[in-house]
Amino acid sequence: SQQGEEDPQALSIQEGENATMNCSYKTSINNLQWYRQNSGRGLVHLILIRSNEREKHSGRLRVTLDTSKKSSSLLITASRAADTASYFCATDNTGGFKTIFGAGTRLFVKA
Amino acid sequence: NAGVTQTPKFQVLKTGQSMTLQCAQDMNHNSMYWYRQDPGMGLRLIYYSASEGTTDKGEVPNGYNVSRLNKREFSLRLESAAPSQTSVYFCASRRLAGGDNEQFFGPGTRLTVL
Repeated sequence: SQQGEEDPQALSIQEGENATMNCSYKTSINNLQWYRQNSGRGLVHLILIRSNEREKHSGRLRVTLDTSKKSSSLLITASRAADTASYFCATDNTGGFKTIFGAGTRLFVKA
Repeated sequence: NAGVTQTPKFQVLKTGQSMTLQCAQDMNHNSMYWYRQDPGMGLRLIYYSASEGTTDKGEVPNGYNVSRLNKREFSLRLESAAPSQTSVYFCASRRLAGGDNEQFFGPGTRLTVL
């Protein structure tokens, strides 16, 4: 079964707007990662947030983590057409070596 | 550095045929992973190797076998392919399993089983 569940499944916005994607998970984690996948390509790591961190920034990306609610959000500010891709959250469970991925959010940014 | 490489890029098999997917990384990473991705879905872990000399089952190991040939290479074998194994297969590596470090992915192998 999938650990991470993203919401929404699909998101369509205009260039310049902000995009917010949410991820929920079920078990205790060491960290949570966000990845991006362009159509037909492999995944590329965006940002990792540790379980003892609440917020992290990287360029136009902002990630939050709420371990009490077992949820995370990814905010992309001032989106661009080139941000069109699928975004996945992934979790490393406490005490294990597996990384479990969610089903992803498909983001479409209209120019 | 080439990162993570996978061969072949595309493959068509008939039901019952066997094949091996190859993966290699040149980043001196300890851990390697095999995932499959079905249309519109996330990645599901097939097998992983936390370190050279070890392999463990992931979420969907049935119908697959793996070999960690050395620190660089991790292969995935389908002994008797089935249509349900039609998917895109991704190999990934990371410096340390269970640590706060990211995975690096290969470009994928698109497999169709007729």
